[in-house]
Amino acid sequence: GAGVSQSPSNKVTEKGKDVELRCDPISGHTALYWYRQSLGQGLEFLIYFQGNSAPDKSGLPSDRFSAERTGGSVSTLTIQRTQQEDSAVYLCASSLNIAGTDTQYFGPGTRLTVL
Amino acid sequence: SQKIEQNSEALNIQEGKTATLTCNYTNYSPAYLQWYRQDPGRGPVFLLLIRENEKEKRKERLKVTFDTTLKQSLFHITASQPADSATYLCALDSNYQLIWGAGTKLIIKP
Repeated sequence: GAGVSQSPSNKVTEKGKDVELRCDPISGHTALYWYRQSLGQGLEFLIYFQGNSAPDKSGLPSDRFSAERTGGSVSTLTIQRTQQEDSAVYLCASSLNIAGTDTQYFGPGTRLTVL
Repeated sequence: SQKIEQNSEALNIQEGKTATLTCNYTNYSPAYLQWYRQDPGRGPVFLLLIRENEKEKRKERLKVTFDTTLKQSLFHITASQPADSATYLCALDSNYQLIWGAGTKLIIKP
């Protein structure tokens, strides 16, 4: 079946502009995660959604970052007033449930470049 | 604070040899540990999961060990092939999250 998809694959924007990144998780997966990966770095947790529960936003680096998940499926990560330090690859992952044992399935990521 | 360390320098291994990657952690008592592979421009792909009560887990040419006393996991690839070249990430469970290491780049030379 289809895996996790993300769009766009690449995004170049100017400092101060807003951007929206989209994630389509695997159908039936209740958990959805957003991560940020800078060059040579590990995955930095941003936010997760589990079913209809309130999302855990504890990893969001500032109030310029927000995310929503509509209908328990597609998710959008929005970065307002982008800064150069926001440049990174943004990865989305989904899993059947939230648990340390659940495999996370990743999308290919969106490479964001802020000029 | 919780910390996960993986060799930051690339590991160069001759084809056919065994590659061993290390994942160390501190201030942690994970119940599970996972290993993922990441190729350039792609998201990580799950390889193996090992539980705290398991000493060793195998899958084809892959073997993972988990020593909760040393707070260390070792990831082995036997009979390594150039196609095994990638970055390998370890991740530990912390409640509902996975906490990730920065990964080790493995290069298998023909």
